[in-house]
Amino acid sequence: EAGVAQSPRYKIIEKRQSVAFWCNPISGHATLYWYQQILGQGPKLLIQFQNNGVVDDSQLPKDRFSAERLKGVDSTLKIQPAKLEDSAVYLCASSSQQGGLGGYTFGSGTRLTVV
Amino acid sequence: GENVEQHPSTLSVQEGDSAVIKCTYSDSASNYFPWYKQELGKRPQLIIDIRSNVGEKKDQRIAVTLNKTAKHFSLHITETQPEDSAVYFCAATGYSTLTFGKGTMLLVSP
Repeated sequence: EAGVAQSPRYKIIEKRQSVAFWCNPISGHATLYWYQQILGQGPKLLIQFQNNGVVDDSQLPKDRFSAERLKGVDSTLKIQPAKLEDSAVYLCASSSQQGGLGGYTFGSGTRLTVV
Repeated sequence: GENVEQHPSTLSVQEGDSAVIKCTYSDSASNYFPWYKQELGKRPQLIIDIRSNVGEKKDQRIAVTLNKTAKHFSLHITETQPEDSAVYFCAATGYSTLTFGKGTMLLVSP
């Protein structure tokens, strides 16, 4: 099966600029996650979608981060304005079961550098 | 919410030795515990998982054990090889989302 697709792979922006990441999950996977992975740390959940509805966005910094999954398939994550501490790899993952039972399939991630 | 602690943060072994990575979790409702391997610059990949109704699971050279009473689970890698060098993450969930540990960098020297 095709994997989770993410783009772009790398992005360098200046602080206070905006940036958007795109994710296309595995076909048929209803649950989609965005994780932030800071260098040397484990992935931290930003937001979870079930189809096109938000299940958990409790750790999403809503003053600057937003995400949508309008048709229950592709998703975009946006940061506006970016801060230096947003430098990280942004991982998209999908699963066929809610709650991650059976594990996630991760995309290759987008490495964001804010300068 | 769930909190997952992982130890050690770095583990160096000689090729052929065994490696053990330990994790503890806080939420007694958690019932699914996967382990991911992340090679440098690559995506995390699921290598083995265990559910709370099982105490141990093996897959060739890797095994996972779970102690629900003590709320800890461990990854065991036997006969380590240089290609086992990577960062390993444990995770836990109880029907919400996966919470990950901070990772263990395993270095296997030839």
